[in-house]
Amino acid sequence: KQEVTQIPAALSVPEGENLVLNCSFTDSAIYNLQWFRQDPGKGLTSLLLIQSSQREQTSGRLNASLDKSSGRSTLYIAASQPGDSATYLCAVRGSGAGSYQLTFGKGTKLSVIP
Amino acid sequence: DAGITQSPRHKVTETGTPVTLRCHQTENHRYMYWYRQDPGHGLRLIHYSYGVKDTDKGEVSDGYSVSRSKTEDFLLTLESATSSQTSVYFCAISESAGQPQHFGDGTRLSIL
Repeated sequence: KQEVTQIPAALSVPEGENLVLNCSFTDSAIYNLQWFRQDPGKGLTSLLLIQSSQREQTSGRLNASLDKSSGRSTLYIAASQPGDSATYLCAVRGSGAGSYQLTFGKGTKLSVIP
Repeated sequence: DAGITQSPRHKVTETGTPVTLRCHQTENHRYMYWYRQDPGHGLRLIHYSYGVKDTDKGEVSDGYSVSRSKTEDFLLTLESATSSQTSVYFCAISESAGQPQHFGDGTRLSIL
């Protein structure tokens, strides 16, 4: 059974700092990996999706990398801002036939201090 | 934002009553999903649909049923609600199985 782990559970950084969030998964047979952010009381907002054949994806100040063989992904946030404060979740989709399920990590709660 | 509307947004009900949650999308996406989010467990898939009248079970499907009679609507039913089903329920949609999933704002369900 796929397990997804995100460490640390919480992170506090001063505004302007570059930071890295980590995600690891136990089964490397994945179809893709998706990063989300969740604001309190809200749904999930999709940030980046990396297909299993890709190494990284970029959107603005965000860069996500994927190392499938080692079961790791990182989300790099450049020049952090208070508006980046949220919980960040990663989720993997298995590559088996009919595998539509996303397996989620429990998230990293990020606080960016002005 | 993806056009996903969940209703109701909040509901309090009693053990043993039936409950139906609705997810409505305006994106004409083929795939729809129901998740629940609980402290300590994260998000877990309950059921999903890959087309009208085509549904399948997820990781935590016991006690839940779903129906999809139209592309835009996906209903989640708790036939006889239990306190263990108190949770936040999220609907998600995707254009295809390999495309990003986009989530609604959730329904907070409390069963007393």
